[in-house]
Amino acid sequence: NAGVMQNPRHLVRRRGQEARLRCSPMKGHSHVYWYRQLPEEGLKFMVYLQKENIIDESGMPKERFSAEFPKEGPSILRIQQVVRGDSAAYFCASSPPLGGSSYNEQFFGPGTRLTVL
Amino acid sequence: GEDVEQSLFLSVREGDSSVINCTYTDSSSTYLYWYKQEPGAGLQLLTYIFSNMDMKQDQRLTVLLNKKDKHLSLRIADTQTGDSAIYFCAVPNSGNTPLVFGKGTRLSVIA
Repeated sequence: NAGVMQNPRHLVRRRGQEARLRCSPMKGHSHVYWYRQLPEEGLKFMVYLQKENIIDESGMPKERFSAEFPKEGPSILRIQQVVRGDSAAYFCASSPPLGGSSYNEQFFGPGTRLTVL
Repeated sequence: GEDVEQSLFLSVREGDSSVINCTYTDSSSTYLYWYKQEPGAGLQLLTYIFSNMDMKQDQRLTVLLNKKDKHLSLRIADTQTGDSAIYFCAVPNSGNTPLVFGKGTRLSVIA
């Protein structure tokens, strides 16, 4: 059973370009989370999605950032018109349906390291 | 919202015990987690504790929870060089998702 897959692992963009980050959750997982890790910082929550639904996007910047998790295919985090401050590691995590327990183990992917020149 | 604080650095000698501390603000958290991040890698769940427990032991790892003081600690016994990594304390925000992470404690193990 493959873990959470993210690609690309490294992405270089020039200012003003678009960045697309992909995340394939673990098999059987219907919940996806995106986090951003700035250098020397902890992870900051960005968005929580289920298939075809955004559940919580309270951590997403209001402009330029969007996320989706379509019925088929991976989850995509899209950053339009990137700026140098977007340089960071972006981690995706997935979890199975929560069921009746509040235990929520999130399994993390290896991350995409975005560098904006 | 939830706020999680950790000390940033810890250095120990191989074979000694390491204690990594964490404080949080939201007392309604039900499960609290410790994650480990090795260089260039994603996060791996190390252990967790349910909020009605005050201690959990798992081989070399001991988690202590003081709910009154909102203090969580991770003790690693017989620390090895392979334990060198960044350790994150993570506490759920309201509704159990998403996780709020501390900034991480960088553990360096000196041989």
